[in-house]
Amino acid sequence: QKEVEQDPGPLSVPEGAIVSLNCTYSNSAFQYFMWYRQYSRKGPELLMYTYSSGNKEDGRFTAQVDKSSKYISLFIRDSQPSDSATYLCAMVRGSYIPTFGRGTSLIVHP
Amino acid sequence: DADVTQTPRNRITKTGKRIMLECSQTKGHDRMYWYRQDPGLGLRLIYYSFDVKDINKGEISDGYSVSRQAQAKFSLSLESAIPNQTALYFCATRASTGQPQHFGDGTRLSIL
Repeated sequence: QKEVEQDPGPLSVPEGAIVSLNCTYSNSAFQYFMWYRQYSRKGPELLMYTYSSGNKEDGRFTAQVDKSSKYISLFIRDSQPSDSATYLCAMVRGSYIPTFGRGTSLIVHP
Repeated sequence: DADVTQTPRNRITKTGKRIMLECSQTKGHDRMYWYRQDPGLGLRLIYYSFDVKDINKGEISDGYSVSRQAQAKFSLSLESAIPNQTALYFCATRASTGQPQHFGDGTRLSIL
């Protein structure tokens, strides 16, 4: 079992939908949680970064962490075609190297 | 200008050639990383460095070497390229423990 599991998709939704992207993990020592967005032919871009359970909101994006269930989510409200990309979750404990999920491909169609 | 710059952006070369990919950063971060990304396999760590005098192997270091020339520069070399090293290569930096990584835009490498 990989330390971080992420459904590769693709996830296809209509414009304006609420999108839910998820990762599960097995190592309860993870302390910090990140979501990256990666467009085709570009590097991963940091979207959200949190270190506590609960929700963190930034514009149309909400990151949710449930440490008791070892589950993190990224919600995108009012999704736009420009949100079409691959979304990678990542998590880290202390000074260790971050562990990445394999990414979920999201397609938002007009 | 980008905070993490990778050169070249694209490279096509032949089996057996020596190749160097370069990464420079203006973020002032001590920690630098090299990853490769393959479809379906996600990001895999090749090498990482916590400062100029510190070099560490990642999970897939065979066939690769690195050089940390300065705090801001970290190069990845393929001594004798082979076709299964065809991939997208990313450099990343990180300030310190608990901070997120920041990535360059990658080098698309094709080995024929």
